[in-house]
Amino acid sequence: QKEVEQNSGPLSVPEGAIASLNCTYSDRVSQSFFWYRQYSGKSPELIMSIYSNGDKEDGRFTAQLNKASQYVSLLIRDSQPSDSATYLCAAPNDYKLSFGAGTTVTVRA
Amino acid sequence: DAGITQSPRHKVTETGTPVTLRCHQTENHRYMYWYRQDPGHGLRLIHYSYGVKDTDKGEVSDGYSVSRSKTEDFLLTLESATSSQTSVYFCAISDGGLSTDTQYFGPGTRLTVL
Repeated sequence: QKEVEQNSGPLSVPEGAIASLNCTYSDRVSQSFFWYRQYSGKSPELIMSIYSNGDKEDGRFTAQLNKASQYVSLLIRDSQPSDSATYLCAAPNDYKLSFGAGTTVTVRA
Repeated sequence: DAGITQSPRHKVTETGTPVTLRCHQTENHRYMYWYRQDPGHGLRLIHYSYGVKDTDKGEVSDGYSVSRSKTEDFLLTLESATSSQTSVYFCAISDGGLSTDTQYFGPGTRLTVL
């Protein structure tokens, strides 16, 4: 079973700050990674996917992948109250996804 | 949003009764998945399907069965519900099922077993 571990939360940041979320995975073969955002009482929605080493930026979100260290992170710049949610890291596992337990982020106004 | 619906959205049932949850998609995606989500455990895969009548077990399949007789429908059955199956159940779909593909989730079903 391939494992995905996320840094424990919850994470509280002031509005305008950078929120940093981390994820490690056990499988060296994994080629792609996904970050999902889940608002309370809602379903997960995909916000970022990353397939190669380095950084990928999308608006205020930056995903960073280091395959050698088996580490993927998500940075949320200029955090807004609307970013308050649980963020799930996921890695492929054959034709399935393995999810981390999630990190809950609260942005303080 | 991907065209995925789940029914019912909420259900309360008693221990020992059978329960069937339905996932319906309008995207014609090949792969469909059932997850449960519990505090502290994230999303855990119950069963998945890679085509009509083609299904396989996930990591927490005990006590659950599935069926897929049409591309658009994926049913999850609890043959005899137990309190440990109280959870939020999500259906997801994906097009290719490859490692570079993504999954899209339905709105979820909140199941309470008394």
